[in-house]
Amino acid sequence: QKEVEQDPGPLSVPEGAIVSLNCTYSNSAFQYFMWYRQYSRKGPELLMYTYSSGNKEDGRFTAQVDKSSKYISLFIRDSQPSDSATYLCAMTPNSGGSNYKLTFGKGTLLTVNP
Amino acid sequence: NAGVTQTPKFRILKIGQSMTLQCTQDMNHNYMYWYRQDPGMGLKLIYYSVGAGITDKGEVPNGYNVSRSTTEDFPLRLELAAPSQTSVYFCASSPSDEQFFGPGTRLTVL
Repeated sequence: QKEVEQDPGPLSVPEGAIVSLNCTYSNSAFQYFMWYRQYSRKGPELLMYTYSSGNKEDGRFTAQVDKSSKYISLFIRDSQPSDSATYLCAMTPNSGGSNYKLTFGKGTLLTVNP
Repeated sequence: NAGVTQTPKFRILKIGQSMTLQCTQDMNHNYMYWYRQDPGMGLKLIYYSVGAGITDKGEVPNGYNVSRSTTEDFPLRLELAAPSQTSVYFCASSPSDEQFFGPGTRLTVL
């Protein structure tokens, strides 16, 4: 079993739809969870960052972590064409320090159609 | 701040050639990373550094070398290019948590 599994899509939705992106993981030591957004031919940029279980909301974006199920989600409300990108989940056991390395999912390609 | 800059943007190499991918950050971050991204495969860590003079291997280090003589610079060296090294290479830096990525270098080995 891969350490982090993410459905690569592609996912195509109409403008205004609610989008749900998900990752599952096998390493119970993961404590810090991130979502990166990567536009075509650009570097990834951090979108959301959460610690342990629970929800975090930032505007139209909500990150959800369920450590008991080893499952994380990113919800996008009122999706816009500008949300079209690849979304990568990432996670690590540690925050800061010499062991701070991220394990990434393969990314999900999202297209929001006007 | 320019953030993380990478040069060159694109490069085509012949098998067996060598090259250095440059990475510079102006945010005074201690941590720096090199990743490769292959289509549909996510980001794989090649090497990382926790400060000037300190480097360590990541998940896929074979065929690559790095050095970190200053806080700002973290070059990645390919000594004998192989077709399997065709990829997009991203450099990132971090103060501790959030990683800031450069724009990437697209490398093709023919």
